[in-house]
Amino acid sequence: EVQLVESGGGLVQPGRSLRLSCTTSGFSFGDYVMSWFRQAPGTGLEWVGFIRGKAYGGTTEYAASVKGRFTISRDDSKSIAYLQMNSLKTEDTAVYYCAREGSGGSFYLYYYFDFWGQGTLVTVS
Amino acid sequence: SSELTQDPAVSVALGQTVRITCQGDSLRDYYASWYQKKPGQAPVLVIYGKNYRPSGIPDRFSGFSSGNTASLTITGAQAEDEADYYCHSRDSNHLVVFGGGTKLTVL
Repeated sequence: EVQLVESGGGLVQPGRSLRLSCTTSGFSFGDYVMSWFRQAPGTGLEWVGFIRGKAYGGTTEYAASVKGRFTISRDDSKSIAYLQMNSLKTEDTAVYYCAREGSGGSFYLYYYFDFWGQGTLVTVS
Repeated sequence: SSELTQDPAVSVALGQTVRITCQGDSLRDYYASWYQKKPGQAPVLVIYGKNYRPSGIPDRFSGFSSGNTASLTITGAQAEDEADYYCHSRDSNHLVVFGGGTKLTVL
């Protein structure tokens, strides 16, 4: 059974740092792109960033809103993805989710997030 | 701002059919995927690719794509389908993008 569990959320002051973990099981973690998302109160889902699997060098991409402040990393030996959040702002307050990405198609591509964690609340205040 | 556009809210009578749409230029290059989001719960993938449903998703959910528009149709909407629905694709930089979400009310 595929499982993703986020941890590390909590209350933090503006300007401080926090590291979230996404502990996974039930699949070959190193083969997958892992993404982080967030949903602030009363708003929609927002993609934060992703980290590619080992086949693609574990490279990362980020949303403009967090680029330069947030860093995603992974430990394939432990099947854990991390989200390091620095210089936190009040607007980073949200529930943070991790998810596994799948993809397919040849000429016409598709991507999807088939398994999600339950989320962890980060409050910056 | 999101590069995928969704209507903010849609309503449907119990048992009727509802279509939720998502528009964006990137949908000419990528199929959308669709997620159901209920308060306090993680998003759930309901449709991906051309029209694929993950295991456990009822067959009343279906997807269609044409040009720059993707749609999610619920045929015979149930009370438990009341939720926010988000479309997802990649943008012009091949990064992840979500629509702003559609709040579905089942009357």
